[in-house]
Amino acid sequence: EPEVTQTPSHQVTQMGQEVILRCVPISNHLYFYWYRQILGQKVEFLVSFYNNEISEKSEIFDDQFSVERPDGSNFTLKIRSTKLEDSAMYFCASSRDGVNEQYFGPGTRLTVT
Amino acid sequence: AQSVTQLDSQVPVFEEAPVELRCNYSSSVSVYLFWYVQYPNQGLQLLLKYLSGSTLVKGINGFEAEFNKSQTSFHLRKPSVHISDTAEYFCAVSDQAGTYKYIFGTGTRLKVLA
Repeated sequence: EPEVTQTPSHQVTQMGQEVILRCVPISNHLYFYWYRQILGQKVEFLVSFYNNEISEKSEIFDDQFSVERPDGSNFTLKIRSTKLEDSAMYFCASSRDGVNEQYFGPGTRLTVT
Repeated sequence: AQSVTQLDSQVPVFEEAPVELRCNYSSSVSVYLFWYVQYPNQGLQLLLKYLSGSTLVKGINGFEAEFNKSQTSFHLRKPSVHISDTAEYFCAVSDQAGTYKYIFGTGTRLKVLA
């Protein structure tokens, strides 16, 4: 069964450093998403991406965040200058048509020290 | 804007007993509804979904949920739980016109006791 993959599984970085979280969505899916889950809290929407552009972003997704789909298979989330409060589990998800369910990757745990 | 409420943060239940995990939502537009399960150190796995049609939907692992539009609820049930059902359960909604992003509830930790 096809699945969403994410790398790395765990990233430790120092405050102020740039990080890139990588995701490979399911190949025939058209809608892509990033969510994050701060430890002990609920899963929060960050950004949605469709037709090679951002379709919606949350208040969390400020100028420090960016997304790209550079080569038709990878989907990346970049945080330009990490803060302590960016420490969280980041989930990538994809959906075939938006209406049907989103498939989630296993997540990348980002720890900012 | 949508919001999702899962009032029970933790639900302990004995093995083979029935369980109901509650989910209520608020939305000014029509929504699709989902339940996901998260096992420790894993991603989110779809249990079931309501898109349209019959309000009683069946999912994997013996779970089912009923969509009640008048009460804006989508409670998850299982008639007999197993130890392996111990996990975190998330209810989510997405709007029917838009980017289909999910709004999640805060989750319910189901702990099945032997």
